[in-house]
Amino acid sequence: GENVEQHPSTLSVQEGDSAVIKCTYSDSASNYFPWYKQELGKRPQLIIDIRSNVGEKKDQRIAVTLNKTAKHFSLHITETQPEDSAVYFCAAPLGTQGGSEKLVFGKGTKLTVNP
Amino acid sequence: DAGVTQSPTHLIKTRGQQVTLRCSPKSGHDTVSWYQQALGQGPQFIFQYYEEEERQRGNFPDRFSGHQFPNYSSELNVNALLLGDSALYLCASSMTVNTGELFFGEGSRLTVL
Repeated sequence: GENVEQHPSTLSVQEGDSAVIKCTYSDSASNYFPWYKQELGKRPQLIIDIRSNVGEKKDQRIAVTLNKTAKHFSLHITETQPEDSAVYFCAAPLGTQGGSEKLVFGKGTKLTVNP
Repeated sequence: DAGVTQSPTHLIKTRGQQVTLRCSPKSGHDTVSWYQQALGQGPQFIFQYYEEEERQRGNFPDRFSGHQFPNYSSELNVNALLLGDSALYLCASSMTVNTGELFFGEGSRLTVL
């Protein structure tokens, strides 16, 4: 079925620690894996994404890893800061239709970084 | 450069009524997708419009319909509103040449009483 599973649903860490959020997807044809951050009352914003031709991508304190064989991908945040507190969503597209894709989102992970 | 803009930002309706939500995509984008986000949940795909046609649709009833105009802006219509339709409705735009990269608007929060 059309499914993206995300774990954990909540995550609490101390400032400076690392945080890892994991997602699995069901469609082996998926080839694009974005992560969105949504602060309370705000719109989801893309923070990092990865395409299936690479296994890892980094952007300062944020990294995403992809294992296509196992159909899972993870978000890694190092040296967490209080402003990293938000809900994070992973997503994966379902198939292609002449370039059109619909993103299926996970249920989200509420990350709390304690000062 | 304006991002994705949505209107109205908040609205309250009663059961059985109809609602129209509006979206203007980011400059240079030609594809608009609509998502429903219930409280505490991830966005759920409703449908996507490209070249003024519905290109893909999620698991939503026919009460949910949409339209895309020649200037790429879009409307989401929901008929016969139910209490369960209360949610944040997000519009996201993208360029078909960069499939998958969505830019979201701030959303329209619909409350059905």
